[in-house]
Amino acid sequence: GENVEQHPSTLSVQEGDSAVIKCTYSDSASNYFPWYKQELGKRPQLIIDIRSNVGEKKDQRIAVTLNKTAKHFSLHITETQPEDSAVYFCAAAYNNNDMRFGAGTRLTVKP
Amino acid sequence: DARVTQTPRHKVTEMGQEVTMRCQPILGHNTVFWYRQTMMQGLELLAYFRNRAPLDDSGMPKDRFSAEMPDATLATLKIQPSEPRDSAVYFCASGPNRAYEQYFGPGTRLTVT
Repeated sequence: GENVEQHPSTLSVQEGDSAVIKCTYSDSASNYFPWYKQELGKRPQLIIDIRSNVGEKKDQRIAVTLNKTAKHFSLHITETQPEDSAVYFCAAAYNNNDMRFGAGTRLTVKP
Repeated sequence: DARVTQTPRHKVTEMGQEVTMRCQPILGHNTVFWYRQTMMQGLELLAYFRNRAPLDDSGMPKDRFSAEMPDATLATLKIQPSEPRDSAVYFCASGPNRAYEQYFGPGTRLTVT
């Protein structure tokens, strides 16, 4: 089955700096890679996703890149703000089946 | 703004008791997922359904957990008998037909003493 590894487990940045979170996956058949943001005590919220026919996708301050050959994908947050502080999860799945999540990255943005 | 709903939001019970958690997927979504979240194991997929049919429940301890979809608007996850190691937050998520996204409910925080 799919195995997703996520790094780093914690990340602290200054407000305004960029943050990068990286994930690798094991199943070459996976074709859907979402990222979720989870604030303390809240539900995971989908913030961006990418499919395997695309190499990069951007939505305002967040972007995701995918390298299918190397089986890794990354989340980039630019101009970070304190409200970006949360736990971020990557995930991988084939056609929305059997989605596997990374262990999460706790991002702290210091004002 | 349609959202997945879950009840109860919190449940405290004693070991050995039956626990039933309920989920109402977003109207029109045909895929429903159950996840368990703990500090140690992170987010684990327990089971999922498409068009009310169970597709995979290999993540669930079969002897005590069961998941069903009595109709398109209700999914249930039952634990019988419950054990302290079942303490976790249980999330339900739903996804639309012909799309890959999953939208999570608020979760049920279960504590088994």
